[in-house]
Amino acid sequence: GAGVSQSPRYKVAKRGQDVALRCDPISGHVSLFWYQQALGQGPEFLTYFQNEAQLDKSGLPSDRFFAERPEGSVSTLKIQRTQQEDSAVYLCASSLDGGSEKLFFGSGTQLSVL
Amino acid sequence: GESVGLHLPTLSVQEGDNSIINCAYSNSASDYFIWYKQESGKGPQFIIDIRSNMDKRQGQRVTVLLNKTVKHLSLQIAATQPGDSAVYFCAEVRYGGGKLIFGQGTELSVKP
Repeated sequence: GAGVSQSPRYKVAKRGQDVALRCDPISGHVSLFWYQQALGQGPEFLTYFQNEAQLDKSGLPSDRFFAERPEGSVSTLKIQRTQQEDSAVYLCASSLDGGSEKLFFGSGTQLSVL
Repeated sequence: GESVGLHLPTLSVQEGDNSIINCAYSNSASDYFIWYKQESGKGPQFIIDIRSNMDKRQGQRVTVLLNKTVKHLSLQIAATQPGDSAVYFCAEVRYGGGKLIFGQGTELSVKP
């Protein structure tokens, strides 16, 4: 596809349930980022990959959050034992080179934890 | 803590007028700044960027000004159109860092 694709578009989870969010970056893009955006707020950094290497995971809020990009393309963000405070839009972005210049964002996955 | 923030949460302008959206940042070591536009239900979309060694950069109908003395960034949109209605974020990239630091956002509303 032409852009960054994320699935599912919407996810409703019961508290305590595990969820997996998928990101398909633009083909050939080296860098991949995950951001969390609470309602009415700017996106906040979660983690960053360059190819398959996770270079920065300092933004992951707890050990319930885990991200992977095993083959350097598709990435999955997993949240275990979801809590209500995890409700947010999870944005994925990719860039051709390493770093945050010229990031292309997907439309996000809106997660609602009940 | 260090942050990138915005002066005004909302801005309402008449179609055809010019819009100015402001942003303050706190880290003088920031290397690179970007303005993003986010429409409802979509991810942020790149508008224009500027490096810390520049004062001004112009794009199509948009201009970004950087005042390093007072750590202030602004986005000017000329002849604002209804399609410009969105939330605008400034974001900061620090030298050697891989992540963007976003501000809270300004919602621009264009009245016909």
